[in-house]
Amino acid sequence: KQEVTQIPAALSVPEGENLVLNCSFTDSAIYNLQWFRQDPGKGLTSLLLIQSSQREQTSGRLNASLDKSSGRSTLYIAASQPGDSATYLCAALPMTTDSWGKFQFGAGTQVVVTP
Amino acid sequence: NAGVTQTPKFRILKIGQSMTLQCTQDMNHNYMYWYRQDPGMGLKLIYYSVGAGITDKGEVPNGYNVSRSTTEDFPLRLELAAPSQTSVYFCASRYRDRGSPREKLFFGSGTQLSVL
Repeated sequence: KQEVTQIPAALSVPEGENLVLNCSFTDSAIYNLQWFRQDPGKGLTSLLLIQSSQREQTSGRLNASLDKSSGRSTLYIAASQPGDSATYLCAALPMTTDSWGKFQFGAGTQVVVTP
Repeated sequence: NAGVTQTPKFRILKIGQSMTLQCTQDMNHNYMYWYRQDPGMGLKLIYYSVGAGITDKGEVPNGYNVSRSTTEDFPLRLELAAPSQTSVYFCASRYRDRGSPREKLFFGSGTQLSVL
């Protein structure tokens, strides 16, 4: 069964510093991996989706990389701002038949960007 | 563009009561999901559907039921509510198009449910 881990569980950085968020998965047979942002009391918002054939995906200050061989994805947020404070979750979509269509989520990394 | 709409946003139930959480999407997505999120934990899949009339169990289906009579709607039914069902419930949907950016997962804003 696919296991997705996000370490650390919480992170605090000063404004302007680059953020590096980690996501590890145990089974490299995935269709895609997504990164989400969750604000307190809100639903999840998709930030980036990386297909299994891609190495990275970029949107503005966000860049996500995918290394299936090592079972890792990294989300980089450049020049962090207080508005980036949120919980960031990753989710892998397995290829295995018994996991068809079922995303496996990490528990998330809670980020605080201090002014 | 409404996206994924969930109702209600908050609900308090007494032990043994029943209720239905509503979820509707207007993006013509074929896949729909129900998750629960407990503090400090990732999302756990309750049920999912790959199209109208087709549903299947996720990791934690006990105490819940679903139906999918239309593409748009995917209600979640709680029978005989228990304190262990206190959680935040999220509905989500996506379009299945393998290898396409359209496979992004879209979430509703959630329902905070307390069972006392």
